[in-house]
Amino acid sequence: RKEVEQDPGPFNVPEGATVAFNCTYSNSASQSFFWYRQDCRKEPKLLMSVYSSGNEDGRFTAQLNRASQYISLLIRDSKLSDSATYLCVVSSLGGATNKLIFGTGTLLAVQP
Amino acid sequence: GAGVSQSPRYKVAKRGQDVALRCDPISGHVSLFWYQQALGQGPEFLTYFQNEAQLDKSGLPSDRFFAERPEGSVSTLKIQRTQQEDSAVYLCASSFGTGELFFGEGSRLTVL
Repeated sequence: RKEVEQDPGPFNVPEGATVAFNCTYSNSASQSFFWYRQDCRKEPKLLMSVYSSGNEDGRFTAQLNRASQYISLLIRDSKLSDSATYLCVVSSLGGATNKLIFGTGTLLAVQP
Repeated sequence: GAGVSQSPRYKVAKRGQDVALRCDPISGHVSLFWYQQALGQGPEFLTYFQNEAQLDKSGLPSDRFFAERPEGSVSTLKIQRTQQEDSAVYLCASSFGTGELFFGEGSRLTVL
């Protein structure tokens, strides 16, 4: 079982739709959680950190449920420019390394 | 430059050849990571440096893979006797401490 699991999609949604992505992680000792965005043939870039209390950044809302080891990302009022792969990312504390473990990513395609 | 710079952007190698991939991190960033991203997958951790010290190499898939960062700045990932399964995008990322990872555009390796 992979340490971070996501539905790979693709999610095809019309402009203006609300879409939600889910992610589960297996290491209960994980400390930090993120969503990264990766455009086609580009490098991943940080979209937002995820906090236990939940956090919002404009049209994007991230939630963390530590008990269920579950992370979500909600995108409201989807734009064409939101089309990308969304990577769920969990920090893994091992020895001296605080490395980030990536899920396989969920592909979002927003249609006009 | 302001971002993480990787070279070459594209490399085609014949099976059995050695390759060297270079990463120039953001100036002052202590932490440097190498990830491998196969088509349709998320980035997979390879190795981590803190300054010149390689603190974690648990993700290197075989002893054909070797990474160094001798002066705590530029890093090189070397792959000896390349195999077809080594074909992937190799992403370098740097951060200041345990903060946000900034990725380079990657080196796309194709082994024929």
